[in-house]
Amino acid sequence: EVQLVESGGDLIQPGGSLRLSCAVSGFTVSTNYMIWVRQAPGKGLEWVSILYTGGSTYYTDSVKGRFTISRDNSKNTLYLQMNSLRPEDTAVYYCARDGRYGGDTYWGQGTLVTVPS
Amino acid sequence: QLVLTQSPSASASRGASVKLTCTLSSGHSNYDIAWHQQQPEKGPRYLMKVRSDGSHSKGDGIPDRFSGSTSGAERYLIISSLQSEDEADYYCQTWGAGIQVFGTGTKVTVL
Repeated sequence: EVQLVESGGDLIQPGGSLRLSCAVSGFTVSTNYMIWVRQAPGKGLEWVSILYTGGSTYYTDSVKGRFTISRDNSKNTLYLQMNSLRPEDTAVYYCARDGRYGGDTYWGQGTLVTVPS
Repeated sequence: QLVLTQSPSASASRGASVKLTCTLSSGHSNYDIAWHQQQPEKGPRYLMKVRSDGSHSKGDGIPDRFSGSTSGAERYLIISSLQSEDEADYYCQTWGAGIQVFGTGTKVTVL
C-alpha cells in the first residue's frame, strides 16, 4: 500500500526556518519524480517544487532562493527546507508522487505551516 | 505562458451529469493534464490523466462514472450519475519544462 506522511508543520515567526518531511512507503522516492504543493487557507492548489530522479530541482518563483527540496534515499523520505518564511507562505503543504510519466499521482495528507503577519 | 483556465463553479442535480472544462493556454494545446478531486476538509485525490489524443487513464478505485475527453485545447472531466459525495473542488494540473501548473479549480455543487 502506498503511503505518504508529511510532518514538520508548525507556527513559525516571519523570517524563521522550518523543514518539512514526507515519509514514503509503497514506492521508492529516488526512482520517482516528487513534488511539493501548497494550499493557502481558502485558496486553490499551488505547485511549489519538483525533484527529478536525476537530482534536478525546480521551484515556483515566489520560493526560489528560500526553499530547497531534497531526499534521503536511505530513509525513503522527501524534504522541503523552508527559510526566510513569510506570512504568504502560510498554507497546508502536500507532498506527492508526480504522475507525469506513467502511473498515478499519490498525495499525502498535508501538514500545516502558519507564519503570522 | 503555461496557464490552465477553469470555470469557478458548476452544479447539477443528483443522478444527472456534469462536464467540467480545463482549457490550456495558447501554444500548449498538445499537453496532457491530470484531474484531482478535493472534498471539503480533505486532501486532494488523483482522478485521472487526460491526454491530448483523447485517451484517459484513471487512478485506482475511481468509479466508472468518472471519465475524461479532449477537444483541441480543452480537457474535460465528465461525472455521470452525480452523487452527493461528488460535491467537491476539482483541479486540473499540467506539466511544463521545470514547472507545473494547477487550474484555479471548479467547485461542483450537487443540487
